[in-house]
Amino acid sequence: ILNVEQSPQSLHVQEGDSTNFTCSFPSSNFYALHWYRWETAKSPEALFVMTLNGDEKKKGRISATLNTKEGYSYLYIKGSQPEDSATYLCACSDMKTSYDKVIFGPGTSLSVIP
Amino acid sequence: DAGVIQSPRHEVTEMGQEVTLRCKPISGHNSLFWYRQTMMRGLELLIYFNNNVPIDDSGMPEDRFSAKMPNASFSTLKIQPSEPRDSAVYFCASSLTGAGSPLHFGNGTRLTVT
Repeated sequence: ILNVEQSPQSLHVQEGDSTNFTCSFPSSNFYALHWYRWETAKSPEALFVMTLNGDEKKKGRISATLNTKEGYSYLYIKGSQPEDSATYLCACSDMKTSYDKVIFGPGTSLSVIP
Repeated sequence: DAGVIQSPRHEVTEMGQEVTLRCKPISGHNSLFWYRQTMMRGLELLIYFNNNVPIDDSGMPEDRFSAKMPNASFSTLKIQPSEPRDSAVYFCASSLTGAGSPLHFGNGTRLTVT
């Protein structure tokens, strides 16, 4: 069973602070790692999909890195704004279970205090 | 592009009744996923299809749950008979090429079984 873990479970930061969260997954047979942003009363929206070790992606103030050898990914938010408040989900698939079986972690809930 | 369309948005039914949830994926997407969101378990993958073929239904909780994808533009998730513990938000998502591309989520169906 593919187990995806995220930490911390929740986070409160002041506006302007930079922050980061972690996604951990089994390193063997890795295929793809996804990050999603999920605002209350909406649906998850994709931020990044990464497949290669050492991959780095950036979208505005948000960036992500991937280490497939040790089984983790970091999501960074630079200069947090109140509109960044959301739950951030990571999801993973591996080649052993099934390439396209996308399993989600429990999420990190971010609150940005004005 | 209208995105992934789910119906109904809300469904309230009595225990024992049959419930059918519907999903229209984004045109051209080859993979379709059904997830269930609960407080206890987060986003659980129930089943996914590639090119209309069910690939992995190991997440379907019981025989009361079934899913079909008769063509590339339509999928259903059926619960028969429904039970109160089935109450949750059910999301459909589609992607262009499975786990290698981002999942696009519908707005979800909030199911309440009384």
